[in-house]
Amino acid sequence: GNSVTQMEGPVTLSEEAFLTINCTYTATGYPSLFWYVQYPGEGLQLLLKATKADDKGSNKGFEATYRKETTSFHLEKGSVQVSDSAVYFCALNPSWGGGGNKLTFGTGTQLKVEL
Amino acid sequence: NAGVTQTPKFQVLKTGQSMTLQCAQDMNHEYMSWYRQDPGMGLRLIHYSVGAGITDQGEVPNGYNVSRSTTEDFPLRLLSAAPSQTSVYFCASSSPGLAVDEQFFGPGTRLTVL
Repeated sequence: GNSVTQMEGPVTLSEEAFLTINCTYTATGYPSLFWYVQYPGEGLQLLLKATKADDKGSNKGFEATYRKETTSFHLEKGSVQVSDSAVYFCALNPSWGGGGNKLTFGTGTQLKVEL
Repeated sequence: NAGVTQTPKFQVLKTGQSMTLQCAQDMNHEYMSWYRQDPGMGLRLIHYSVGAGITDQGEVPNGYNVSRSTTEDFPLRLLSAAPSQTSVYFCASSSPGLAVDEQFFGPGTRLTVL
C-alpha cells in the first residue's frame, strides 16, 4: 500500500534559520506529492505540490523537489519566520484509479519558530 | 465563495449518542472526503465520494456512515458514538478537472466523546 514517512517533531528554530523537514514515501506507480500546512485552529492548506520526478514545487519561500530515485520530497526554506510556525504534512495522491480524493498523509511535523 | 464549510465547530457527546457532522462546498467539486486527525497519526481517510449518489470506504470507516444526495453536501453520521471516535474531523473537496487533484479543506469539527 501507499505510505508517507516524515520526520517527527516538534522542530524549534530561531528566526532566519534554515529549515528542512524530511519526507519519504512508498507508492506504486507515479504519485503526485504535496506539502500541506495547518496553522493553529485551522484546516489544512496546500503549500506546494509536484506531479512528476524532478519537479520542484515552491510557494512562500518553501521548496520541495520530487526525487524518485530516493522516493523523497523534503521541504526546505532558507530563512524561516515566526509566522511559519505551524504543522506541516507531507502527502501523496495515487497516480491511478481517480485517486484525487484519497490522499495518504504523513503524521505531521510541528514547527515552532522563535525570535 | 465560502469554500468548504463544516458545522458544528465543537461537539461533546456521551457514549452511545448519535450525531451528524455537516459538510458543504460551493465550488461544484465532484470529489468529497472525510478525514479524522489524531495526535501522532496524521489524517486518515474515513469515507469518500466521487459524485452524488456514489460513496466508498476509506482507511477507517467503521462506526461512520455517509451519503451524498447532492453535489454540495456530504454529511458524516456517527450512529453510536464511542470514546475512540474522539478526534478532529476534516471534510475536503476537489475536482478531477484540476491539473493536479488538490484538495480544499474545511476548518474542522472537534468532537469529544465521553
